[in-house]
Amino acid sequence: NAGVTQTPKFQVLKTGQSMTLQCAQDMNHEYMSWYRQDPGMGLRLIHYSVGAGITDQGEVPNGYNVSRSTTEDFPLRLLSAAPSQTSVYFCASSYRLAGIGELFFGEGSRLTVL
Amino acid sequence: KQEVTQIPAALSVPEGENLVLNCSFTDSAIYNLQWFRQDPGKGLTSLLLIQSSQREQTSGRLNASLDKSSGRSTLYIAASQPGDSATYLCAAQNEKLTFGTGTRLTIIP
Repeated sequence: NAGVTQTPKFQVLKTGQSMTLQCAQDMNHEYMSWYRQDPGMGLRLIHYSVGAGITDQGEVPNGYNVSRSTTEDFPLRLLSAAPSQTSVYFCASSYRLAGIGELFFGEGSRLTVL
Repeated sequence: KQEVTQIPAALSVPEGENLVLNCSFTDSAIYNLQWFRQDPGKGLTSLLLIQSSQREQTSGRLNASLDKSSGRSTLYIAASQPGDSATYLCAAQNEKLTFGTGTRLTIIP
């Protein structure tokens, strides 16, 4: 009963490096999303997807890219990491289009950019 | 722009007490209001989802209410236990989901 799986759980990068955070769900959810969680600021939406081949920007999309080639996977790419991207990243999915329904979260990926 | 506020930021209560967590939102045109639990170093777990047409939802010792007209939701926890210690977040769903910053709850044995 995997649910939403994120990898890696921890990552340290140097400024300017690139990396991809992986997210996979096995619930056949159409809606998937990425959030970042920072102290005192709550969770903020980075990008989201309402189905394979469809992505859109959230509240804080700058510095991040996403793609959705399959229903199951929704990777988040940092092209040139900056210290401001130090955060905890959560992937979430929902069975309803546009995410209007119960959200299921992964356990998070803690990223530190030096 | 929707704003969601949770006060207080932290709360400590003795085991066995009933307690209420508060959530307020500025835009009442919501589809639903969700309550989540987050344990340290973990992701969020959905506790209750109240549709905009509903007034409350119950799950075990948890009861969530929604008053759209006043922009408020409450999460009531009955007979609190040390295992209830966690951060509780609410989120209001308009075209997107807006989260509060959470209330960190500590149940004292």
